[in-house]
Amino acid sequence: ETGVTQSPTHLIKTRGQQVTLRCSSQSGHNTVSWYQQALGQGPQFIFQYYREEENGRGNFPPRFSGLQFPNYSSELNVNALELDDSALYLCASSSFRGSTDTQYFGPGTRLTVL
Amino acid sequence: TQLLEQSPQFLSIQEGENLTVYCNSSSVFSSLQWYRQEPGEGPVLLVTVVTGGEVKKLKRLTFQFGDARKDSSLHITAAQPGDTGLYLCAGFGYNFNKFYFGSGTKLNVKP
Repeated sequence: ETGVTQSPTHLIKTRGQQVTLRCSSQSGHNTVSWYQQALGQGPQFIFQYYREEENGRGNFPPRFSGLQFPNYSSELNVNALELDDSALYLCASSSFRGSTDTQYFGPGTRLTVL
Repeated sequence: TQLLEQSPQFLSIQEGENLTVYCNSSSVFSSLQWYRQEPGEGPVLLVTVVTGGEVKKLKRLTFQFGDARKDSSLHITAAQPGDTGLYLCAGFGYNFNKFYFGSGTKLNVKP
């Protein structure tokens, strides 16, 4: 059984550019949630995908979008990057049990926007 | 404003000391989770509590969910350097179908 993996590990972009981050979910999991963690803060929920459909979204603008594929891996796309988008982006996979969900987090992608 | 407030923000103690970390909110949660996150890694789930007043123990760690399901505490007995990390609480609310995380407590246990 493989754990949650994310790529790339680190990324440096400039303002206005676009970025795609990738997440491979743990075997047997059908749900992927994406979080943004700014330095010194807790993770902030961006959105969740369940069986290829968006299943909830946090307070993030539409330039944050995502996809989930038939194998339940997922992508996070961010358009028109801003300096404040610099953060650690975490994905978490789970089997969708709502309030008792056990989320398994990947190591994250560190995005720096210059 | 944060939905979940954690205190203290930072804690630096000697090995062998006891400590308690708090997670408070004005909102009611259907469940509350505690995670530990180490540098360069994602958070790792320690426990999920779902019943008001529930107490769970994990070796030297004791977790309690408040009776009103608005707050929680994490108590560590005889802290060890391996306990060093960022401790995060996350609540799953009735009115919002997702987990909200607190801002974390950064614990440093010195040998």
